[in-house]
Amino acid sequence: DGGITQSPKYLFRKEGQNVTLSCEQNLNHDAMYWYRQDPGQGLRLIYYSQIVNDFQKGDIAEGYSVSREKKESFPLTVTSAQKNPTAFYLCASSMSQVLVFGQGTRLTVV
Amino acid sequence: KNQVEQSPQSLIILEGKNCTLQCNYTVSPFSNLRWYKQDTGRGPVSLTIMTFSENTKSNGRYTATLDADTKQSSLHITASQLSDSASYICVVRANTGGFKTIFGAGTRLFVKA
Repeated sequence: DGGITQSPKYLFRKEGQNVTLSCEQNLNHDAMYWYRQDPGQGLRLIYYSQIVNDFQKGDIAEGYSVSREKKESFPLTVTSAQKNPTAFYLCASSMSQVLVFGQGTRLTVV
Repeated sequence: KNQVEQSPQSLIILEGKNCTLQCNYTVSPFSNLRWYKQDTGRGPVSLTIMTFSENTKSNGRYTATLDADTKQSSLHITASQLSDSASYICVVRANTGGFKTIFGAGTRLFVKA
């Protein structure tokens, strides 16, 4: 079955550490996105990529980095510069107008 | 400012009852509006997508309406089931040269037996 796989589902990080969230898709979609979801707020765009080897900052890119070396993969690194990283992170892809989301990774800083 | 406002924030209904969720937006120029269902701890799943010319679209027990003049949309759920308990997110895409999609904060629906 085609879809988006995010891993891990739960992630714990100590303050000051970088951590990388995985996102893989087998839908052959060109565009991929990373969103952050916090309670009581709409999803906010961190980074997006419309083609391999190219990506753009979203609304809240500070403290995050991404790469797009392969069409299928769009990993997100949460760096120590992100001051409030505890959140639910969602990866998505799209071919046309509809976003297809992964199951999310819940990151907790301990 | 492009915004999407949803109401109510949360809603509790009895199984079998109907309910309606509201979405007001100020996004311009408008491209399309989508409703997503998000189960707790999972990713959102698309329910409907509506363009400017569409007034009503159904997906099983879910019916979405769109009034582009008043910039309002609603999602009506008929004969609710326990599995309808989830967050429902209204998403509006702007018709700009770049990528601009604005998400509402969602309505949390609880269906009780």
